Amino acid sequence: VQLQESGPGLVKPSQTLSLTCTVSGGAINSGGYYWNWIRQHPGKGLEWIGYIYYSGRTYYNPSLKSRVSISMDTSKNQFSLKLDSVTVADTAVYYCASRVGGGSGSFPAWGQGTLVTVSS
Amino acid sequence: DIVLTQSPGTLSLSPGERATLSCRASQSVNSSYLAWYQQKPGQAPRLLIHATSRRASGIPDRFSGRGSGTDFILTISRLEPEDFALYYCQQFGNSPLCSFGPGTKLEIK
Repeated sequence: VQLQESGPGLVKPSQTLSLTCTVSGGAINSGGYYWNWIRQHPGKGLEWIGYIYYSGRTYYNPSLKSRVSISMDTSKNQFSLKLDSVTVADTAVYYCASRVGGGSGSFPAWGQGTLVTVSS
Repeated sequence: DIVLTQSPGTLSLSPGERATLSCRASQSVNSSYLAWYQQKPGQAPRLLIHATSRRASGIPDRFSGRGSGTDFILTISRLEPEDFALYYCQQFGNSPLCSFGPGTKLEIK
């Protein structure tokens, strides 16, 4: 499975950040996979944002839950992230990553990441 | 929420030496759900070890992991030049379901 993020690199404060992850090498709804978003603030560590399961079920990090939405488009083999009401604190490299259900809870496949800057 | 602490923050070693990186959790982690990643500048993290001690596909056997409960170790038996990077541990299962440690920077001495 290969993953590739896409979306605007600049978002204004208070607006909505929207990113898409295109999956290749397998169908997004083929079963057993969790499709995740993870971010990394500049020079900092990694923060898990949430996932969407192949069935459409979602789960979000409680720290971001009120602002996050993850959806999937099976016709395009993509899943997407929306983060509302962004501030400069949301400036980060955003990664999409896959996790195999029933596995070890780890992420063997990642996109290359996309930098999103929140600035007016 | 669980907190993962990694030590040391920076480790300075020479090629050929042995590296020992620590990950300590504020509460017990199921050993099936502790992983280690390597990250180089400008790259995404790469999975090295999952389920505490299982090497991911294509990872050289100089990388090994062990531990249980709240204390986990990543060992690199003989450092190669390409091993100097950032290393993160990651847990799954404890609130907030998934989290990462702050990282250890392995630098050339």
